[in-house]
Amino acid sequence: GQNIDQPTEMTATEGAIVQINCTYQTSGFNGLFWYQQHAGEAPTFLSYNVLDGLEEKGRFSSFLSRSKGYSYLLLKELQMKDSASYLCASMDSNYQLIWGAGTKLIIKP
Amino acid sequence: ETGVTQTPRHLVMGMTNKKSLKCEQHLGHNAMYWYKQSAKKPLELMFVYSLEERVENNSVPSRFSPECPNSSHLFLHLHTLQPEDSALYLCASSQDIGTPSYEQYFGPGTRLTVT
Repeated sequence: GQNIDQPTEMTATEGAIVQINCTYQTSGFNGLFWYQQHAGEAPTFLSYNVLDGLEEKGRFSSFLSRSKGYSYLLLKELQMKDSASYLCASMDSNYQLIWGAGTKLIIKP
Repeated sequence: ETGVTQTPRHLVMGMTNKKSLKCEQHLGHNAMYWYKQSAKKPLELMFVYSLEERVENNSVPSRFSPECPNSSHLFLHLHTLQPEDSALYLCASSQDIGTPSYEQYFGPGTRLTVT
């Protein structure tokens, strides 16, 4: 079956670094997406990885290891506005996104 | 107005009612999607349309009926819903389907409560 696993909730301190892990198992693979969703708002796109390695985009970076079925999202210099849910999604062979349940990130001052 | 819009933002309906959710995208995209988001559960893909043709229906009960009159508008018609259908219904669009790198743009969702 198809499955995406990510932690339910994480807590971090303002100014610190946090890594949110995601493991995936899908029928075929066409890339790994990360989205951010603030409470009561729409998910917004953060990153897309299809090749192994690290993609950096400002304070956010995303890593992919296809052989391990593993990805992580790295957030640096955390700000209060980074408090949100972070959704991991793998695109399968039918180009459908298979979603994780999301990781709620709580930032404390 | 830009992006993806959805109306209404909140909806309370009885199990015998009929209502419709509306989605409009102003991005010139060819693909549109309906998702269901329940608390602490993954997003569930309900329907996918490409150029107004339905290409995917993930075993959704017939009490949910989609309509895509053109590439900018998508509706979800609801009738005789059950309390377990209470959830956030999200609409999304993307440039195309079958192209992995195209991200999906989401609307703010309709919070549906079935009483």
